[in-house]
Amino acid sequence: SQTIHQWPATLVQPVGSPLSLECTVEGTSNPNLYWYRQAAGRGLQLLFYSVGIGQISSEVPQNLSASRPQDRQFILSSKKLLLSDSGFYLCASTFTDQNTGELFFGEGSRLTVL
Amino acid sequence: TQLLEQSPQFLSIQEGENLTVYCNSSSVFSSLQWYRQEPGEGPVLLVTVVTGGEVKKLKRLTFQFGDARKDSSLHITAAQPGDTGLYLCAGDEGYSTLTFGKGTMLLVSP
Repeated sequence: SQTIHQWPATLVQPVGSPLSLECTVEGTSNPNLYWYRQAAGRGLQLLFYSVGIGQISSEVPQNLSASRPQDRQFILSSKKLLLSDSGFYLCASTFTDQNTGELFFGEGSRLTVL
Repeated sequence: TQLLEQSPQFLSIQEGENLTVYCNSSSVFSSLQWYRQEPGEGPVLLVTVVTGGEVKKLKRLTFQFGDARKDSSLHITAAQPGDTGLYLCAGDEGYSTLTFGKGTMLLVSP
């Protein structure tokens, strides 16, 4: 079965420090991968998506970046965090063998920037 | 980018009550999905509706896709505390990304 792992689950970082959130997918091949950010109890803001290795599309200009070094690995990074980067970050993948656009989400990573 | 409006934004009810939440757009989607998210976790897919006028049932949850494929509703019968969560609708335009609504936060009290 398909699973997504995100880590770390919780992170507290000072302003100006770097960030690296990692997401890996198991049980599938060549999925589309996504990074979303969610404000407290609200909808999802798409940050980046990737349809293949090394292919990254950015939806929102910001000080974050994403990379896909392997088919089932998606990394969200920042060189210098801002207070406004605080939030709940979700990695998502398309389901295997389905072309319906449905997404399978990881457990999320809560980032607090102080 | 198409927009999805969800209403109400917040709903607090007692156990056993019925409720309906709505997801509306001015544009057409090829399909529409509903997700439920519990605090501190990722959203989980509940259902996908594809055909205009389609109705799908998942136990006490009934999902309907509008005839014109611009809107959808979720009806919950005899709500239970376990139904508490954030309900998100998402529209598929046929591209690589989904358009998400801002969600309806449902609180069901015992």
